[in-house]
Amino acid sequence: NAGVTQTPKFRILKIGQSMTLQCTQDMNHNYMYWYRQDPGMGLKLIYYSVGAGITDKGEVPNGYNVSRSTTEDFPLRLELAAPSQTSVYFCASSYPRYRDRVTEAFFGQGTRLTVV
Amino acid sequence: DAKTTQPNSMESNEEEPVHLPCNHSTISGTDYIHWYRQLPSQGPEYVIHGLTSNVNNRMASLAIAEDRKSSTLILHRATLRDAAVYYCILRVLQIIQGAQKLVFGQGTRLTINP
Repeated sequence: NAGVTQTPKFRILKIGQSMTLQCTQDMNHNYMYWYRQDPGMGLKLIYYSVGAGITDKGEVPNGYNVSRSTTEDFPLRLELAAPSQTSVYFCASSYPRYRDRVTEAFFGQGTRLTVV
Repeated sequence: DAKTTQPNSMESNEEEPVHLPCNHSTISGTDYIHWYRQLPSQGPEYVIHGLTSNVNNRMASLAIAEDRKSSTLILHRATLRDAAVYYCILRVLQIIQGAQKLVFGQGTRLTINP
């Protein structure tokens, strides 16, 4: 079972460059999330999506964009990379069988991004 | 969003029980308590969740205080593989979109001594 797959695993960007972090899941989950984790800190929510075509901001959306054209894919776009975006990025997905029922989230292995 | 408070670090010995505490004094009636853990260089993984009653699964037990303002994750026999950062999280339900956001704190770094 592939689960949640993130690519690339590592990347070094120069200030001002752009890139897209890829995330795909094969569990037919409706909900997908992007988090970032700074050294020694917990995860902070960047963006999330409740289904294809529907996205919303999390705690720290500035400097990022997302799109959700399919159920499987939820790419995260960095425009004009800045050193403050150096972090580990995690994608996650979950499936709400019922809106009032709790489901676990599945996380990818992360993308370690350094902006220099 | 309601917040959780956990000790920064804890230490235990292999094959002994571990009790990881979490305070969530501002929890609302609809907030579920989730626990995730993050092994070194990996993404978080689900451990257990509960609402009011104590819960058991193959990984751990979750004891929830009667007033729901605190909870304890119990690892019955810790192994070296249980060394990780453990996050106590309140699931935030967005009524409009139905999204289930997980808001992470800093977690407890658990060290297991052989």
